[in-house]
Amino acid sequence: DQQVKQNSPSLSVQEGRISILNCDYTNSMFDYFLWYKKYPAEGPTFLISISSIKDKNEDGRFTVFLNKSAKHLSLHIVPSQPGDSAVYFCAASRFRNSGNTPLVFGKGTRLSVIA
Amino acid sequence: NAGVTQTPKFRVLKTGQSMTLLCAQDMNHEYMYWYRQDPGMGLRLIHYSVGEGTTAKGEVPDGYNVSRLKKQNFLLGLESAAPSQTSVYFCASSYPGSPLHFGNGTRLTVT
Repeated sequence: DQQVKQNSPSLSVQEGRISILNCDYTNSMFDYFLWYKKYPAEGPTFLISISSIKDKNEDGRFTVFLNKSAKHLSLHIVPSQPGDSAVYFCAASRFRNSGNTPLVFGKGTRLSVIA
Repeated sequence: NAGVTQTPKFRVLKTGQSMTLLCAQDMNHEYMYWYRQDPGMGLRLIHYSVGEGTTAKGEVPDGYNVSRLKKQNFLLGLESAAPSQTSVYFCASSYPGSPLHFGNGTRLTVT
């Protein structure tokens, strides 16, 4: 039973355009959501997060939107750059990673930004 | 400041052999985790620890054991390796309420 779903295994976007990566979750107890970025042969690196008390969080070119009623979040990258090409993982937890509720990850979406 | 260091980076085992994967962090983090990444499966939690001397099972714990004898180290053991344990293993650590910091992974092949 997958609690965090990324239904698009891959996405291709032209350089300079917007990339939108989607994520759905089933556990209504999740209250902290994160996006990680992973390059080949490296570990995932933290990108941006959002708490359930907000519906938007922005950091430079990256914005995460949270729709609690739909149990859906999305990551927007504007403008997309070739260096953004990577696998993006959505993750969720309860109580902001209290330790007793570790992060649950989606399967990832491979983003390719074409120059 | 090395962050999270995993050793070895690569390893090939034969079915039935045993080995230990080492994870060390220098950030004084309380929490440590072991995940495995398989094609099309994302990151799945094997075991985790919320402090020195404590461990807990994650989503896919079977066939693995862990120990957290020191705060900075988290060991993952395979007692009798199976081909199904061929994977990339990631260790991570964090403070409570903060994002996880990952190591660069150990690629394990079991033949």
